[in-house]
Amino acid sequence: EVQLVQSGAEVKKPGESLRISCKGSGYSFTSYWISWVRQMPGKGLEWMGRIDPSDSYTNYSPSFQGHVTISADKSISTAYLQWSSLKASDTAMYYCARPLTEHAFDIWGQGTMVTVSS
Amino acid sequence: SSELTQDPAVSVALGQTVRITCQGDSLRSYYASWYQQKPGQAPVLVIYGKNNRPSGIPDRFSGSSSGNTASLTITGAQAEDEADYYCNSRDSSGNPHVVFGGGTKLTVL
Repeated sequence: EVQLVQSGAEVKKPGESLRISCKGSGYSFTSYWISWVRQMPGKGLEWMGRIDPSDSYTNYSPSFQGHVTISADKSISTAYLQWSSLKASDTAMYYCARPLTEHAFDIWGQGTMVTVSS
Repeated sequence: SSELTQDPAVSVALGQTVRITCQGDSLRSYYASWYQQKPGQAPVLVIYGKNNRPSGIPDRFSGSSSGNTASLTITGAQAEDEADYYCNSRDSSGNPHVVFGGGTKLTVL
């Protein structure tokens, strides 16, 4: 079964760092980009950026460039999304997703809820 | 703000047909994909490309496109179709970026 399994919910304080993960299984991890998508509470989906796990080449949405870092370790079929200094406004559900075609995401992780509160 | 525009809310009577639209300049060049999201769940792809349904998606879901507008049509809406629906596509800048519409809340009456 093709699936993406994400790390568990996180509760952090403002200014702290964080890395969440997304592990692919059931397919060739290096054959598909992995995208990250944010969903703030009660709001819509926002594409953050993506990574090609074969060479770690990344594209970022202008809205997220410089605020987060996307990386991958192809040896363990895992992509990461990380923050160096969290803000309360980073509180959201974060999904990783794999595309069937360029922007049609057919495989989604279960989501990782990140709560940033003092 | 999103480069793809959707109506915030649409309603349909049980068993009737409803069309959800998505507008944006990039849709003149790229197809939209459509997602269904129910509360507390990850999005599910329902339509991609010209009018393709992933395995397991009922054939009451269909897609179309004209000019800068993509449409998702549900023919014979069921109670379980009540959900948020999102479109996405490439953005209009020419960069390989993805953009989502703001989403449409579908209510089945």
